[in-house]
Amino acid sequence: GAGVSQSPSNKVTEKGKDVELRCDPISGHTALYWYRQSLGQGLEFLIYFQGNSAPDKSGLPSDRFSAERTGGSVSTLTIQRTQQEDSAVYLCASSLFTLASGNTIYFGEGSWLTVV
Amino acid sequence: KQEVTQIPAALSVPEGENLVLNCSFTDSAIYNLQWFRQDPGKGLTSLLLIQSSQREQTSGRLNASLDKSSGRSTLYIAASQPGDSATYLCAVRSLGNQFYFGTGTSLTVIP
Repeated sequence: GAGVSQSPSNKVTEKGKDVELRCDPISGHTALYWYRQSLGQGLEFLIYFQGNSAPDKSGLPSDRFSAERTGGSVSTLTIQRTQQEDSAVYLCASSLFTLASGNTIYFGEGSWLTVV
Repeated sequence: KQEVTQIPAALSVPEGENLVLNCSFTDSAIYNLQWFRQDPGKGLTSLLLIQSSQREQTSGRLNASLDKSSGRSTLYIAASQPGDSATYLCAVRSLGNQFYFGTGTSLTVIP
């Protein structure tokens, strides 16, 4: 696609329910990133994919959070047994990975999650 | 671990003023540094990218500089306009292909 696409754009869920957030990166981009941004806060790194593997998942805040990427393209971030502190905007970004240094990272519009 | 700091956290200026936003980082082993703009309720839009070997990049009224050895970058905005009001974030790309973001500077340009 032309840009990074995320769905749903908005999600309201009840505490304790599971949610899935989807990211469709720019076609051909091998690197994919998930970030979380709480209201008024900076970006918190969650996980990074290179192809289908995740060399860095150090940012996942708990075992309730998991992510996968299939076919080197679409990624899903799953939050199990949601808590109110999970309320945030979840941003996905992609980048073309090469050994060169000069690649821009492109962001989607985010998935706004509210846990009530 | 790389740490990125942005100063000031918030800035308010009258329309037409020139202004400078600051970004500092602790580890100079980077691929590049990028400046982004974030409008309320929106994702991040890339403004300028500076390679580690470069000193500055310009786009329209924006000029970004990079001093890798001292771990500093500045974003200069000339002749500010109300439409420039947004949060500006800098991010460094580490050699491990990870991006580290600052917490941003919230800019308000008063008409």
